[in-house]
Amino acid sequence: NAGVTQTPKFRILKIGQSMTLQCTQDMNHNYMYWYRQDPGMGLKLIYYSVGAGITDKGEVPNGYNVSRSTTEDFPLRLELAAPSQTSVYFCASSFGQQIEQYFGPGTRLTVT
Amino acid sequence: AQKVTQAQTEISVVEKEDVTLDCVYETRDTTYYLFWYKQPPSGELVFLIRRNSFDEQNEISGRYSWNFQKSTSSFNFTITASQVVDSAVYFCALSSGGRDDMRFGAGTRLTVKP
Repeated sequence: NAGVTQTPKFRILKIGQSMTLQCTQDMNHNYMYWYRQDPGMGLKLIYYSVGAGITDKGEVPNGYNVSRSTTEDFPLRLELAAPSQTSVYFCASSFGQQIEQYFGPGTRLTVT
Repeated sequence: AQKVTQAQTEISVVEKEDVTLDCVYETRDTTYYLFWYKQPPSGELVFLIRRNSFDEQNEISGRYSWNFQKSTSSFNFTITASQVVDSAVYFCALSSGGRDDMRFGAGTRLTVKP
């Protein structure tokens, strides 16, 4: 099992560019999550999904979009990158609600 | 509303010392779950423990122990005889009321010096 994989590991974007952060899990988990981690701020939930075809907003969804067409994949899209989106992004998955989540290695994104 | 407070931003200890990381939570729900995660320098978060609100028994796993007290809304984590490999950022998290999401504290950076 590879667990949760994320690509790319690092990325630098110019203001206004767009990109997609990829996330794949091979544990057949129904629940998937996207978090951002800013220095000293802990993790904040951007979007989550409870199954293929179902997504919902988290605490900080503005500026992001997601889709969940398969159980395995949960890409995060940034349409018009802004410096405020400079952060480390983590994807996670879990088998169900309110149980432990398994995290990917993260993507460090810088917007300049 | 859910909230998790980890008041200790950074802690530094010398190897073999015991150290306690504090976690205070807020929720109006009677059913909730508390978690601790470790984020080593490599960056990936690693699950350590999950505790539900109806189980106040303390738990010990090797050098790690957790003290859950509903009366003070705290779920503290103690590392006994700390080692350099324990150096990491530790996060406390809360999921309550049948919600699908989890709220994380800001984290405590633990440095264990040899």
